[in-house]
Amino acid sequence: QQQVKQSPQSLIVQKGGIPIINCAYENTAFDYFPWYQQFPGKGPALLIAIRPDVSEKKEGRFTISFNKSAKQFSLHIMDSQPGDSATYFCAASKVRDDKIIFGKGTRLHILP
Amino acid sequence: DTGVSQDPRHKITKRGQNVTFRCDPISEHNRLYWYRQTLGQGPEFLTYFQNEAQLEKSRLLSDRFSAERPKGSFSTLEIQRTEQGDSAMYLCASSLDRATEAFFGQGTRLTVV
Repeated sequence: QQQVKQSPQSLIVQKGGIPIINCAYENTAFDYFPWYQQFPGKGPALLIAIRPDVSEKKEGRFTISFNKSAKQFSLHIMDSQPGDSATYFCAASKVRDDKIIFGKGTRLHILP
Repeated sequence: DTGVSQDPRHKITKRGQNVTFRCDPISEHNRLYWYRQTLGQGPEFLTYFQNEAQLEKSRLLSDRFSAERPKGSFSTLEIQRTEQGDSAMYLCASSLDRATEAFFGQGTRLTVV
């Protein structure tokens, strides 16, 4: 049973475009939703995270939109650059728990 | 380098052999996690330590897998009698107090031939 469903599997966007990656979750006990960025040969790195008491969070060019009633959240990357080409994972966690549940990832390619 | 360090970065082994990986967490981080990542998938939780105590193990962690953190600092993950299905990236992460603020190492890529 996949607790965090992520789409699309891959995405190609022109430089300057706004890629959008979507995630959906089932467990309403989740209360922390991070996004990770992973480059080839590297471990995942925390990019931005949100809690369900807010509907949007921005950090630089990265924005998370959160819809609690729909149990969905998404990552938007403004003014995307070729250096943003990486695999992005959405994830979910319960603060009382000690593990992060990851989605399957989205391979993003930004064309120069 | 003050990040999470994993050794070796790559390991090729024959089926049936035992392998051991090491993880050095960020200094003063008392929580240490092991995850496994297969090609095209997100990381999957394996086990977690708080200091030297192993507090949770995933069902993914079969009897052939054992993890230790003897002095609450570095950790080792051993796989006995490796199988081809064990081929994956093994990721270590550490945090000060919560899984939500964990920092990952670069991983050990295991190939079982």
